[in-house]
Amino acid sequence: NAGVTQTPKFQVLKTGQSMTLQCAQDMNHEYMSWYRQDPGMGLRLIHYSVGAGITDQGEVPNGYNVSRSTTEDFPLRLLSAAPSQTSVYFCATQPQTGTALGYTFGSGTRLTVV
Amino acid sequence: ILNVEQSPQSLHVQEGDSTNFTCSFPSSNFYALHWYRWETAKSPEALFVMTLNGDEKKKGRISATLNTKEGYSYLYIKGSQPEDSATYLCAHNTGNQFYFGTGTSLTVIP
Repeated sequence: NAGVTQTPKFQVLKTGQSMTLQCAQDMNHEYMSWYRQDPGMGLRLIHYSVGAGITDQGEVPNGYNVSRSTTEDFPLRLLSAAPSQTSVYFCATQPQTGTALGYTFGSGTRLTVV
Repeated sequence: ILNVEQSPQSLHVQEGDSTNFTCSFPSSNFYALHWYRWETAKSPEALFVMTLNGDEKKKGRISATLNTKEGYSYLYIKGSQPEDSATYLCAHNTGNQFYFGTGTSLTVIP
């Protein structure tokens, strides 16, 4: 049982490049989300999805795009990378939103934009 | 945006000491309070979920309490060990969203 798998683990991009961070889960969780973690700040929500075909913006969505065509996958796209997007990105899933069930986190992607 | 605050930001204790830290959160829109243990270069792992005012949870030497009326939760570690070194993260679950604190970084000195 793999849980939540994030790829890649590390990435260096040049300003203006685009890329996709992958998140896949095999637990049939309805809810999937992307967070970024920056020094001195709590995890901040970028985008989330409560089910296939449904996505919504979180606290810091600008510069990012998501889609949810299947229950298992929730890719995060950086359209034109900027140095301000240098961060550690975590995918987090929950069996169902609106419950007290906790998140399962992926192992993170450390992104540097130069 | 609901502010979740954790204190202290960091803590160094000697092996064998007991310690505690605080998570404070808005008492409105409360659904659950989650504690996570986050080791460096790993992903956060769930410790406790608490939903009811007065809840107390325990796992080995670690325990947590919850006061939803005043909006705080305490995490206690009894007899700290070097393997307890990690960042302890709390999250306020409103039912729609999780709001995370910045964590308390604990270092246990052998």
